[in-house]
Amino acid sequence: EIQLQESGPGLVKPSQSLSLTCSVTGYTITSGYDWSWIRKFPGNKMEWMGYISYSGSTNYNPSLKSRISITRDTSKNQFFLQLNSVTTEDTATYYCARFSHGDWGQGVMVTVSS
Amino acid sequence: DIQMTQSPSVLSASVGDRVTLNCKASQNINKYLNWYQQKLGEAPKLLIYNTNNLQTGIPSRFSGSGSGTDFTLTISSLQPEDFATYFCFQHNSWPGTFGGGTKLELK
Repeated sequence: EIQLQESGPGLVKPSQSLSLTCSVTGYTITSGYDWSWIRKFPGNKMEWMGYISYSGSTNYNPSLKSRISITRDTSKNQFFLQLNSVTTEDTATYYCARFSHGDWGQGVMVTVSS
Repeated sequence: DIQMTQSPSVLSASVGDRVTLNCKASQNINKYLNWYQQKLGEAPKLLIYNTNNLQTGIPSRFSGSGSGTDFTLTISSLQPEDFATYFCFQHNSWPGTFGGGTKLELK
């Protein structure tokens, strides 16, 4: 059974970078599928941020394109989110997911505040 | 981006009721519409994919229909565990976009 688990700091200062890790067990991320980051803002709005494919290619939401980077460490079966120049509007719960199969992590809440 | 509008934003119902949740796309998304259920503190759960396909393990009281721009999620007989927030999501074009959610609450 596949499991995804997000980790990273829960508090980030404005203008800094947000960095999160998604650790995957039960499936090798290079075997197939796209591996996504999605976030849910206070008030329920959700946004698909982007993904890294099993081959390593990436696709980002144009609304974030200049600030976002998704990378991976295949030796650890992990993929990562980096979001630069954060503001308070980036405060959200961040999820990693094997989206097409409906497999999600539990989410990690990140607050951007000084 | 394609805008997804869900209605109503809040729906009050009782156990045993049949309920219908609506999702409208700002343009044609063919059949590429998913439904998710989310409970407080949990990850979203995929219920229905591509309009009317039931995800493995999801009870048959959940069903989806629609095409083009108008879609519905129907719960045939509400169970206590169904009170949650429901989101639609289109993946016809990049980036995929979510609706704002319908909160299904106990009357």
